Parts: sequence; C-alpha cells; structure tokens
Amino acid sequence: DQQVKQNSPSLSVQEGRISILNCDYTNSMFDYFLWYKKYPAEGPTFLISISSIKDKNEDGRFTVFLNKSAKHLSLHIVPSQPGDSAVYFCAASGPRGSTLGRLYFGRGTQLTVWP
Amino acid sequence: EAQVTQNPRYLITVTGKKLTVTCSQNMNHEYMSWYRQDPGLGLRQIYYSMNVEVTDKGDVPEGYKVSRKEKRNFPLILESPSPNQTSLYFCASSFRADGSLTNEQFFGPGTRLTVL
Repeated sequence: DQQVKQNSPSLSVQEGRISILNCDYTNSMFDYFLWYKKYPAEGPTFLISISSIKDKNEDGRFTVFLNKSAKHLSLHIVPSQPGDSAVYFCAASGPRGSTLGRLYFGRGTQLTVWP
Repeated sequence: EAQVTQNPRYLITVTGKKLTVTCSQNMNHEYMSWYRQDPGLGLRQIYYSMNVEVTDKGDVPEGYKVSRKEKRNFPLILESPSPNQTSLYFCASSFRADGSLTNEQFFGPGTRLTVL
C-alpha cells in the first residue's frame, strides 16, 4: 500500500501563475520530506526538502509547506515558468536506521506550464 | 564530475535471456538503490544496498537480483526477463539511506528496457 500519495497525475498552469502540487502521506513516523523533479530522458533531480520540525521551507521560486496534523505537504512554484514543466515526485523518509529510513516516492505529478 | 552512470541506456531483449544493467557512482556513497518507473505507478524501489555486501529488498524485488561487491558498483541482474519487466530503470546513490539534510540522492540517467 502506498505510503506517499500524489493524487493529481497532472496539473496545467499558465506561465506567471502559481503552481501548487500536493502530496499526502500515511505514516506519522516520516520525518523528512523531499521533492524531486524529472525531465524526460533524465533521472530525477533533487529540488527542495523539509524536516518535520519545520512547517515551511523556501528556496527562490519554490516553497514547500508541511502540515503534520493533516499528513500533507505541498510544493508552491511562483511564478511558474515553461521550464518548470516536468514530473514532480514527492518523497518521504523516516528515522535513520529504522525500517522507514529510506526514500518512499509518490507516483508523481506531471506539471505543464503554458505560455 | 560527480555522477551516477548506467549502462546500457537502452536495451531490447527477449524473454528468458539473462541480462545485467550496470550502475556506478564516483561519489564514495555508501547507499545505492534501484528503482523502476512505470506509467501511473511512479518510482518503485526494487533493491537497495546500505554498504558493500549489504543488500535488501525494496517494494518490487521479484525477478531481480543485485550484488554489491564494491562500493562504487551496484549491478541489477535479470536472470530470466519477462515482458512485465519492460520499464525505465534508475540507479541512485547517496551517503545514507534516509533523505535527511545534505543527503541528496543522486540518480543515474535511466535505462529503458524492453522485453519481448
């Protein structure tokens, strides 16, 4: 059973607007969350992360929000650019050394930013 | 340049013909992992290795084998490939298994495998 869920397989946004990608997780033991970005014909690359001790992390146009009580995180991209068009994977991991101490990925959301 | 390399990048084979996909990293990472990506299913972990001679099953290990005899290499072996193993495969490495700060997981460019 999937422990990290991305329920929207695709999202289409106009250039300049905000893109919001959502992710839910089921295991409250997860304590670190990441977003990876993947272009066609390339491997995923790390984008941004957040520890469970925080509720927000910002890096330029990218901000990740974490709502632990809802077991929900989101990635905001503002403003969206055509070059942001890619598949975005949400991932989570648990305490180091535990059975959860590895990355669990969601199924991904294809973001398309149109001019 | 720090990187994870995979070979081959593309492979078409037939059912039952043993094959190996190689993976190598030059970052002295302890942790290495294999994933497969399928439409609508995202990235699913096949096997992972915490260190040399230490391997463990991921979420979808059936039909695959791995070995970790050296720190830098982590080959994926399909002893008797079947059509349901047609997929895009990614190797990844990092210093540790968990996703904590500064422990970015680096991915290879992928191997597209077709089993006829």
